[in-house]
Amino acid sequence: EDKVVQSPLSLVVHEGDTVTLNCSYEVTNFRSLLWYKQEKKAPTFLFMLTSSGIEKKSGRLSSILDKKELFSILNITATQTGDSAVYLCAVEARGGGSQGNLIFGKGTKLSVKP
Amino acid sequence: GAGVSQSPSNKVTEKGKDVELRCDPISGHTALYWYRQRLGQGLEFLIYFQGNSAPDKSGLPSDRFSAERTGESVSTLTIQRTQQEDSAVYLCASSLSAGVGYTIYFGEGSWLTVV
Repeated sequence: EDKVVQSPLSLVVHEGDTVTLNCSYEVTNFRSLLWYKQEKKAPTFLFMLTSSGIEKKSGRLSSILDKKELFSILNITATQTGDSAVYLCAVEARGGGSQGNLIFGKGTKLSVKP
Repeated sequence: GAGVSQSPSNKVTEKGKDVELRCDPISGHTALYWYRQRLGQGLEFLIYFQGNSAPDKSGLPSDRFSAERTGESVSTLTIQRTQQEDSAVYLCASSLSAGVGYTIYFGEGSWLTVV
């Protein structure tokens, strides 16, 4: 069975700290891995990763994928209270009728204290 | 429109009633997805459309759930004879096409409460 596991489930840090969120997966015929930030209802897109070892960066956020070890990390440096959210990892698997099926992890709830 | 639009944003309904949730995807997006998120849970895939056809309905929880899409645009998710366990946020998403390399954008969701 395809699955995506995120850790930790929750994390509390202080402003300025650096955090690393983890996502490991077991899927048949991996296509891509995506990171989303969910603050209220709608997850907003952060990164899509398809190739191993290539870091994607956007401001203080960065992410990298390891297709050999089947995991990805999301790093946030110099955290701010506005980074408080649930961070979702999703994997898209190839093939058959599941072309549109993103398999989501349960998310990591990040709380950044002032 | 500029983003994925869903309505209603909130719906309270009595157990046993039918509800319809609507999704208007980003203009030009041929792929449309429905997900469900129960309180404190991860996102569950329900169904996706490529154009007006639904290649994958594997996530629909029961035959009380159905979805349709017309004109490669608006989609409706219908839940018949609602049960309390149907209470959740129903999220719609769209992308230019289904497949790797196409970013999926989410709407704000429809929060359904069955009482």
